[in-house]
Amino acid sequence: DGGITQSPKYLFRKEGQNVTLSCEQNLNHDAMYWYRQDPGQGLRLIYYSQIVNDFQKGDIAEGYSVSREKKESFPLTVTSAQKNPTAFYLCASTNTGTRGSGTQYFGPGTRLTVL
Amino acid sequence: DQQVKQNSPSLSVQEGRISILNCDYTNSMFDYFLWYKKYPAEGPTFLISISSIKDKNEDGRFTVFLNKSAKHLSLHIVPSQPGDSAVYFCAASAINNQGGKLIFGQGTELSVKP
Repeated sequence: DGGITQSPKYLFRKEGQNVTLSCEQNLNHDAMYWYRQDPGQGLRLIYYSQIVNDFQKGDIAEGYSVSREKKESFPLTVTSAQKNPTAFYLCASTNTGTRGSGTQYFGPGTRLTVL
Repeated sequence: DQQVKQNSPSLSVQEGRISILNCDYTNSMFDYFLWYKKYPAEGPTFLISISSIKDKNEDGRFTVFLNKSAKHLSLHIVPSQPGDSAVYFCAASAINNQGGKLIFGQGTELSVKP
């Protein structure tokens, strides 16, 4: 089956610890994205990557880091510098194609809770 | 600066009736619009999209209307079913924008009552 997987589904972290969220896609999409959702808010872009070994900051990148060593993988690290990390994290991917953007398809999400 | 706005945080509709979800945008460079449906603790699923060269796109019970002069789009669901109860997000993008970014509204929670 083609799709996007995120793991784990639920993650608990102590304050001061870094934690890495996994995102894998087998859709052969070139672009991948990380969003954060907080209650009553829309999706806010953390980081995105259009091509392997390249990525850009989104609107709320502070306290986060990413890597894109393989086309199918785009892990997100939530560092201890992120002041309010408890949230629902969503990964998405798309082929940007000739128009530069396309429909993004989302993974099931990871709920991160900082204790 | 909220470029995509969904001003109604919630909407309640009777089963079988029409649901109308609204979305406004401010950036005139947006030319592609999408609607996503999201259940709690799950990722959003793509519903329907529309390009700015059209003013209507229909897919089964779902129709999206675009009014470019008013910078407004709406999603019509008819007839509404209890399984449609979810949060609906509209999103927009501009052609050749850097990175294919989508800008999302805050979402509208739809409740369809039997």
